[in-house]
Amino acid sequence: EDQVTQSPEALRLQEGESSSLNCSYTVSGLRGLFWYRQDPGKGPEFLFTLYSAGEEKEKERLKATLTKKESFLHITAPKPEDSATYLCAAWGEAGKSTFGDGTTLTVKP
Amino acid sequence: EAQVTQNPRYLITVTGKKLTVTCSQNMNHEYMSWYRQDPGLGLRQIYYSMNVEVTDKGDVPEGYKVSRKEKRNFPLILESPSPNQTSLYFCASSSRQGGNYGYTFGSGTRLTVV
Repeated sequence: EDQVTQSPEALRLQEGESSSLNCSYTVSGLRGLFWYRQDPGKGPEFLFTLYSAGEEKEKERLKATLTKKESFLHITAPKPEDSATYLCAAWGEAGKSTFGDGTTLTVKP
Repeated sequence: EAQVTQNPRYLITVTGKKLTVTCSQNMNHEYMSWYRQDPGLGLRQIYYSMNVEVTDKGDVPEGYKVSRKEKRNFPLILESPSPNQTSLYFCASSSRQGGNYGYTFGSGTRLTVV
């Protein structure tokens, strides 16, 4: 059974305090690993797709990396507007996606 | 504007009363999917569709039906809703073309079954 585990469940940072979110996955036939951001009461918003181990992608203060067993979302010098729940999802066998439970990030000014 | 539109946004219904949640996308996406999101359980896939007339079960299909008669629409049907189907539902779509398979999600439908 495909599994995706995110840690920590919640993370509180001071503005400017860099950190990383972890996504561990056990998926047969991984075709892609996605990161999303979700604000309260809204649908998830796509951030990145990673396809192979060693791949990295960046967007503003966020950088996503991928190994054969896990992915990291690095947040550099976060701002309060980065506060949200960050979800990762593994795309496995044809059409089937498995989401993690998310990490809720709070950035205090 | 490229988007996935779900209706209604909020719905309160009674046990056993059939309901349909509509989902429409204007991006010509081939792939569409339904998820439910519950506290502590994350997003769980209900059904997905790789193309018109092609649907398949996700992780939690019991009590739900879907159809894909047109490319743009993917309605979710609850024939006899029960209280354990109270949840936040999301429809999502993506293109299978190119290198980016990220989903575009709708704004969600909050369903309460009493």
